[in-house]
Amino acid sequence: NAGVTQTPKFRILKIGQSMTLQCTQDMNHNYMYWYRQDPGMGLKLIYYSVGAGITDKGEVPNGYNVSRSTTEDFPLRLELAAPSQTSVYFCASSYGVGTDILFYGYTFGSGTRLTVV
Amino acid sequence: AQSVAQPEDQVNVAEGNPLTVKCTYSVSGNPYLFWYVQYPNRGLQFLLKYITGDNLVKGSYGFEAEFNKSQTSFHLKKPSALVSDSALYFCAVRDGNYGQNFVFGPGTRLSVLP
Repeated sequence: NAGVTQTPKFRILKIGQSMTLQCTQDMNHNYMYWYRQDPGMGLKLIYYSVGAGITDKGEVPNGYNVSRSTTEDFPLRLELAAPSQTSVYFCASSYGVGTDILFYGYTFGSGTRLTVV
Repeated sequence: AQSVAQPEDQVNVAEGNPLTVKCTYSVSGNPYLFWYVQYPNRGLQFLLKYITGDNLVKGSYGFEAEFNKSQTSFHLKKPSALVSDSALYFCAVRDGNYGQNFVFGPGTRLSVLP
């Protein structure tokens, strides 16, 4: 059982370049999330998805885009990378049932450390 | 709006002594409260949660947390700390009445000294 898999683990980008952070989960979770972790700042929600074909903005969406074409995959796209996007990015997933959500907590990937220079 | 505070950036404790990592929260409805632990270069791992029921909840690795509604707190505790407990601990809250997303605290770094 792989859980949540993120690739790559590390990446250095130049200012203005673009890249896609990959996230895949094999638990049939309907909810998926992207967070960024900055030192001393906790985790900030970038985007989330409640199911295939449905995405919504989180707290810090500017400079990012997402798509959710399948239940398993939730890639995060960075266009025109900026130094302010230097961070550690975590993908997570969870299971929710209808409107009376039984929440089992998030399962996190191991993270992608991104540096923009 | 939901918010979480972890008032201590760093907690140091000697091995074998009890430890407490503090968390206070603010939500308008019923809180869902979680603790996660992060080891170096790893993702966050679930420790325990409070949704409803007993105010004292027990989780992984001997950790427990006490929900105190009047003080809006959810402090993480362990009776006897191990060096291997040294990690970054995050408290998270979600308003149970609406929404899906959690708000995470800034984290508290726990160092257990041998």
